Formats: sequence, C-alpha cells, structure tokens
Amino acid sequence: GENVEQHPSTLSVQEGDSAVIKCTYSDSASNYFPWYKQELGKGPQLIIDIRSNVGEKKDQRIAVTLNKTAKHFSLHITETQPEDSAVYFCAAYPENSGGSNYKLTFGKGTLLTVNP
Amino acid sequence: ETGVTQSPTHLIKTRGQQVTLRCSSQSGHNTVSWYQQALGQGPQFIFQYYREEENGRGNFPPRFSGLQFPNYSSELNVNALELDDSALYLCASSLDRGRLYGYTFGSGTRLTVV
Repeated sequence: GENVEQHPSTLSVQEGDSAVIKCTYSDSASNYFPWYKQELGKGPQLIIDIRSNVGEKKDQRIAVTLNKTAKHFSLHITETQPEDSAVYFCAAYPENSGGSNYKLTFGKGTLLTVNP
Repeated sequence: ETGVTQSPTHLIKTRGQQVTLRCSSQSGHNTVSWYQQALGQGPQFIFQYYREEENGRGNFPPRFSGLQFPNYSSELNVNALELDDSALYLCASSLDRGRLYGYTFGSGTRLTVV
C-alpha cells in the first residue's frame, strides 16, 4: 500500500519568512496530492492540491510543487503570518486505481509555528 | 451549501462499551469516508461508503463497522471499546469516491475511552 513520509515534524519561522514542508510517496498509482491545514480542535481543511499532470500550482502565498519521477511534493508558504500557525498534512490519493483503493494516505504532519 | 457535520463533538465511554458516531455529508456528496486520528498523528483511513455500500477498508478490526443511509449520511460504530480507540474520529465527504473533487472534512468527534 501507499506510504507517505513528511518532513520536518516541527518548523518554526519568523513572521515574513518562508516555510517549506516536504513529502515523499511510494505508490506510483497516486496522482492526486492535497495539502490540509488543521487548527487545534478542528478538522483538516484543504488549502491546496495538485494532480500528477501538473508540476506546480500557486494560490496567493501558497504553492505546491510535484516531482513525479522522484515521487516527492512540497508545500511552500511565503510571507508567513502568525495565523499560518497550525499542523499541516500532506496526502496522496490514487484517482484512477479503481476497486477499493480510493483513500487518502496522510503524512504524520508538520507543526508550523510562525513567531511574530 | 452546508459542510460536513459530525455529532457528538465529544464523548467519553468506558472500555468494553459500544459507541455510534454520526456524520452528515456535504450537500450533493454521495461518498463518506471515516478516519481515525490519534494524538500527534495523521488521519488513518478506516473505511469508505459510496452509494450505501462499503467501498474500501483500512487496517481496522471488524468491531469497527459502518453504515451509509439513502440521504448519504453515515454512522461509524465501534464495539468492545479499547483504551487505544481514544482518538479524534473524522468524517470526510466527497462526490464520486473522491475522484476529481477531493474530500471535505468535518470537525470530528473526540472519543475518550476510560
């Protein structure tokens, strides 16, 4: 089955700096890669996603890159703000694998702290 | 458009008891997945229901079971509760098993087994 590794487990940055979180996956059938932000006491909220036919996607201060050959993808947050502080999860999903394989496999999460 | 709602938000049960958690999917969604999130960990897939049928199951024992109703809401049932079942249980809904449209998560039910 799929295995997703996520690094680092904790990340502390100063307000205004950039933050980068990296993930690797093992199953070449995975072709959809969402990133979720989870605040304390809440469920994961989708912040950006990318599919394997695209190498990069950007939404304001957030960008995601995907290297399908190397099986890794990264989240980039620029101009970080204190409200970006949360746990971030990457996930992998096989959109076209069929059968009972439709499930998100998550990394273990990164606790991002943005210091004012 | 309403999002995914879960009930109850918090629950305390005794080891050996049974529990039922409920989830109302987002309007228009026909797929519901359940995840278990232990403290400090990423969510782990329990199972998924698509049009009232189980459509995939993770590495969880049979005492974890579920249902999906005609209105696409869902229940997660856990029998013979163990201390390790203490976790945040997340429900996520989607259209067409998550293909193309991704998943929307609820805020979860925090289950504590004592």
